[in-house]
Amino acid sequence: KNQVEQSPQSLIILEGKNCTLQCNYTVSPFSNLRWYKQDTGRGPVSLTIMTFSENTKSNGRYTATLDADTKQSSLHITASQLSDSASYICVVRPSSGYALNFGKGTSLLVTP
Amino acid sequence: DTAVSQTPKYLVTQMGNDKSIKCEQNLGHDTMYWYKQDSKKFLKIMFSYNNKELIINETVPNRFSPKSPDKAHLNLHINSLELGDSAVYFCASSQGRGIEQFFGPGTRLTVL
Repeated sequence: KNQVEQSPQSLIILEGKNCTLQCNYTVSPFSNLRWYKQDTGRGPVSLTIMTFSENTKSNGRYTATLDADTKQSSLHITASQLSDSASYICVVRPSSGYALNFGKGTSLLVTP
Repeated sequence: DTAVSQTPKYLVTQMGNDKSIKCEQNLGHDTMYWYKQDSKKFLKIMFSYNNKELIINETVPNRFSPKSPDKAHLNLHINSLELGDSAVYFCASSQGRGIEQFFGPGTRLTVL
C-alpha cells in the first residue's frame, strides 16, 4: 500500500479560480514533505519543502500547509493561470534513508 | 547550464535489444538517483548512488545495471529490453540526503 495518497486524481478549473490539492501520508517518522510540479514532458520541480515542525510554506501563488498530527498536507493555488496545468506530486522523506515516498500526483488542468 | 541532463530524450527500440541512458549533473552533488515513471505517472525509485557507491537498489530486474564512473555521472544500462520497460526514466541528484532532489528532463523509452 502506498504511504502517500493524493486527491483528487484529476481536477479541471477555470483560469483565475483557486483550488486545493490534498495529500495524506502514513510515513512516520518523517523528515520533510515536499510538493513538486511536473509539467508534461518535463522532470518534477520543487515548489515547497516543509519540515515536520512547519505548518505552512508559500511560493508565490502556491501555499502548502502541513498538519503533522493528522498526517495531512494541502497545496492551495491562488488565481490559477493556464501555466499551472501540470501534475502536482506530494513527496514525503522518512527520517532515515535516502528513498522518498511519492504520491501518484494530481493532474490539474486550467482552462480559459 | 542545465543542472541535471539526460541523453537521449527519446529512445525507441526493439524487444531484446540492449540500450543505455546517460545522466550528468553539474551541481556538485554527491548523490544521484534513477526513477521510473510508468504510464500512470507514478514515480518509483530504482537506484541511488552516493559518492559512486550503491546505496539504494530496489526490486529491479538484474537486466538493469547502473554505472557511476564518477560523482557527476550515473548511467543506466538495460539488457534484453522487454515491452514492460517502456516508461519515462528520470535521473535526479542531491547533496547527501539533502533537502531537495533535482530532476533531469527524463528519457522516454519505448520498446516495440
